[in-house]
Amino acid sequence: EAQVTQNPRYLITVTGKKLTVTCSQNMNHEYMSWYRQDPGLGLRQIYYSMNVEVTDKGDVPEGYKVSRKEKRNFPLILESPSPNQTSLYFCASSSPDRGRGETQYFGPGTRLLVL
Amino acid sequence: QKEVEQNSGPLSVPEGAIASLNCTYSDRGSQSFFWYRQYSGKSPELIMFIYSNGDKEDGRFTAQLNKASQYVSLLIRDSQPSDSATYLCAGGSGYSTLTFGKGTMLLVSP
Repeated sequence: EAQVTQNPRYLITVTGKKLTVTCSQNMNHEYMSWYRQDPGLGLRQIYYSMNVEVTDKGDVPEGYKVSRKEKRNFPLILESPSPNQTSLYFCASSSPDRGRGETQYFGPGTRLLVL
Repeated sequence: QKEVEQNSGPLSVPEGAIASLNCTYSDRGSQSFFWYRQYSGKSPELIMFIYSNGDKEDGRFTAQLNKASQYVSLLIRDSQPSDSATYLCAGGSGYSTLTFGKGTMLLVSP
């Protein structure tokens, strides 16, 4: 089954304790991206990657890091989480196909609470 | 700054009616537009995409694009209670510049 998986699905942590949210896709997609979603603010892109070892900042990259060492994995790293990073996080992947539009597949989401 | 604007709603329609969801965008370089449906607490799922001016139909859904007016819409015919969700409009000129609107909540009453 084609899918994007994220782990963990739910996480409660404390300020300053480093954490990693994993993302993996099995569709051999080149493109992967991280979003956060907050009430009233919609989906905002944090980082994206167009291929292995190629990453770039999205709209709200502060406080986050990513890496793309393998095509299928795109972990999101919070080196020193703060309460304002409490949010619902989505990973997404897609493959460029300009004739049909780049269909993004979203993971199930990770709900993070930073105390 | 690239923006995609949507009315937050809620848009309330009775079962069987046509729901009309609208979206405007600021970036004239945007070429492709997407409509996603998102149930509360769930991930967005793609309903339709459109990149040519005019209408595109898929079952009960019709997407409309007017690049001159920078306007995108989604029509849902024969609305069902199961269509109640938040609908996200997104646009971009390529993957790296995909911008989402904040979404419109649709409520379909039985």
